Amino acid sequence: DTGVSQDPRHKITKRGQNVTFRCDPISEHNRLYWYRQTLGQGPEFLTYFQNEAQLEKSRLLSDRFSAERPKGSFSTLEIQRTEQGDSAMYLCASSDRGGGNEQFFGPGTRLTVL
Amino acid sequence: AQSVTQLDSQVPVFEEAPVELRCNYSSSVSVYLFWYVQYPNQGLQLLLKYLSGSTLVKGINGFEAEFNKSQTSFHLRKPSVHISDTAEYFCAVISGGYQKVTFGTGTKLQVIP
Repeated sequence: DTGVSQDPRHKITKRGQNVTFRCDPISEHNRLYWYRQTLGQGPEFLTYFQNEAQLEKSRLLSDRFSAERPKGSFSTLEIQRTEQGDSAMYLCASSDRGGGNEQFFGPGTRLTVL
Repeated sequence: AQSVTQLDSQVPVFEEAPVELRCNYSSSVSVYLFWYVQYPNQGLQLLLKYLSGSTLVKGINGFEAEFNKSQTSFHLRKPSVHISDTAEYFCAVISGGYQKVTFGTGTKLQVIP
């Protein structure tokens, strides 16, 4: 296994368009996380899945954002009606236990909204 | 609520000199602490973590950190830096029953030849 993968690595879109990102976690990991990182900031938590259940969502995740993990494996993050403020790096991470276990991060998807 | 403060946004240091990157956390319960490194246009890589036990934690690439509960600090140190250490370093915390990691704003380490 080569680690957490994310697709696409870069996405440029026009304001108002919808975008979808995919994350493939490490295969035996049952926990999956999404973070957003803007320029000059640390990553900010968006949402967390344990298997297919979405157990926690940040207030940052407005109603334009939706995340799924239908079979407890890969996950998708969709942003509807994108705004310029959505421009950021979207990071996915996975782990095999909660709490203190290490979260392994993917390379991220950089979104630019024009 | 948990939070992390990294006081230094940028730290320039000459090659082979020692470096300390500062991190302070805030939490009302027991914590797990982490340092991650991020190279340009890449994801985050774990340097080291404190879960319990010895307060001095050794990580990859010659880095170490010391957990100080009374000062609520978890400073990262390296006795001799290399050019390849130039990157951004993030301190992070998980506390209580939370699953999410709270990150600091990052410190950019610039190693000068």
